[in-house]
Amino acid sequence: GIQVEQSPPDLILQEGANSTLRCNFSDSVNNLQWFHQNPWGQLINLFYIPSGTKQNGRLSATTVATERYSLLYISSSQTTDSGVYFCAVEPRNTGGFKTIFGAGTRLFVKA
Amino acid sequence: GAVVSQHPSRVICKSGTSVKIECRSLDFQATTMFWYRQFPKQSLMLMATSNEGSKATYEQGVEKDKFLINHASLTLSTLTVTSAHPEDSSFYICSARDLKGYDTEAFFGQGTRLTVV
Repeated sequence: GIQVEQSPPDLILQEGANSTLRCNFSDSVNNLQWFHQNPWGQLINLFYIPSGTKQNGRLSATTVATERYSLLYISSSQTTDSGVYFCAVEPRNTGGFKTIFGAGTRLFVKA
Repeated sequence: GAVVSQHPSRVICKSGTSVKIECRSLDFQATTMFWYRQFPKQSLMLMATSNEGSKATYEQGVEKDKFLINHASLTLSTLTVTSAHPEDSSFYICSARDLKGYDTEAFFGQGTRLTVV
């Protein structure tokens, strides 16, 4: 099946710093989403981005589908940005419209 | 974004009993719902896919008789963990999508933390 690899696995930032999280996937996808899982386990939809670039406040994301990767940018990080960031894809070559998750990037922002 | 409500958020049950978890799409019709399991500090692992009115499709290695899934309407899916054992303790999360349209995103419930004692 498709492999979804996220890097880095862990990241510690000082408040105010910028960061880039990466998601590589091994096969063609119909769509790609970025999520933030908060400490209570809730998954927050950040971006639905099968291709192109989107921005939402301090966050932006870019997906280059032909090269099979996506990037999530966090600018001016805040302590509330802490948590786990997941990239999830819907593989093109499987039935059932499944969403497959990467292992996540665990982010901790220090005050 | 769309709202998916999962209930209960936390449940403790005795070994050998069954537990039912509900997943509801509140403001859209979910043609397809997905159930995931997440162990501490790990990613979400897809357990099964359910379409309204039809049998669920289980991922390899998931026991269909242990994890019963029912998707009786376009807004409700249930996961029943039967004869629960301590190793079934985990965080269970549902997801819902409306696949009538093309290219739709998945929305997730709040999750259910199951502890079997």
